[in-house]
Amino acid sequence: GAGVSQSPSNKVTEKGKDVELRCDPISGHTALYWYRQSLGQGLEFLIYFQGNSAPDKSGLPSDRFSAERTGGSVSTLTIQRTQQEDSAVYLCASSLGFQGGETQYFGPGTRLLVL
Amino acid sequence: AQTVTQSQPEMSVQEAETVTLSCTYDTSESDYYLFWYKQPPSRQMILVIRQEAYKQQNATENRFSVNFQKAAKSFSLKISDSQLGDAAMYFCAYHTNNDMRFGAGTRLTVKP
Repeated sequence: GAGVSQSPSNKVTEKGKDVELRCDPISGHTALYWYRQSLGQGLEFLIYFQGNSAPDKSGLPSDRFSAERTGGSVSTLTIQRTQQEDSAVYLCASSLGFQGGETQYFGPGTRLLVL
Repeated sequence: AQTVTQSQPEMSVQEAETVTLSCTYDTSESDYYLFWYKQPPSRQMILVIRQEAYKQQNATENRFSVNFQKAAKSFSLKISDSQLGDAAMYFCAYHTNNDMRFGAGTRLTVKP
């Protein structure tokens, strides 16, 4: 595809349910990033992948959050036993490589609402 | 921990005028990159401009330019000849090879 895509674009779930958010990066991009943007807030960095590997998972808010990436392409962010404070927009980005100067290309985000 | 501070939650500018958005950051690193991203109501974050810390020359992209003061750890964005399409949230970001930080954003309104 031409850009980073994310699905679903919107997700409403009940407290306690599990959700999966999907990110399709730009083809050929080896680095992939997940961010969380709460209402009126900046971006909170969650995790990044170099290929299929996530070297540092310390940015994940709790052990209810997990992420994986397969085939160096698609990534899934899973939130188990969702809580109301998980409500936010989850943004995914990809870049050609993982160097500090690489431009990140963002997807449109998934807006998650936990009732 | 490195932090990025945008002290102006909201800014307003008249169409065709110039506006400057402020950003300061805290770091002990000498090699890093600074970015300004724009997020319109569509939510799609778009790169506006990028600056390498080792370069003294300020980056410029058409109507967008930065004032990078490395010693002061300041990285402001100047938008010249503002257009209605410039209305958006603007985020300042700091990147190294293993760390990425974003500011809280500045909401820019452009008045016709």
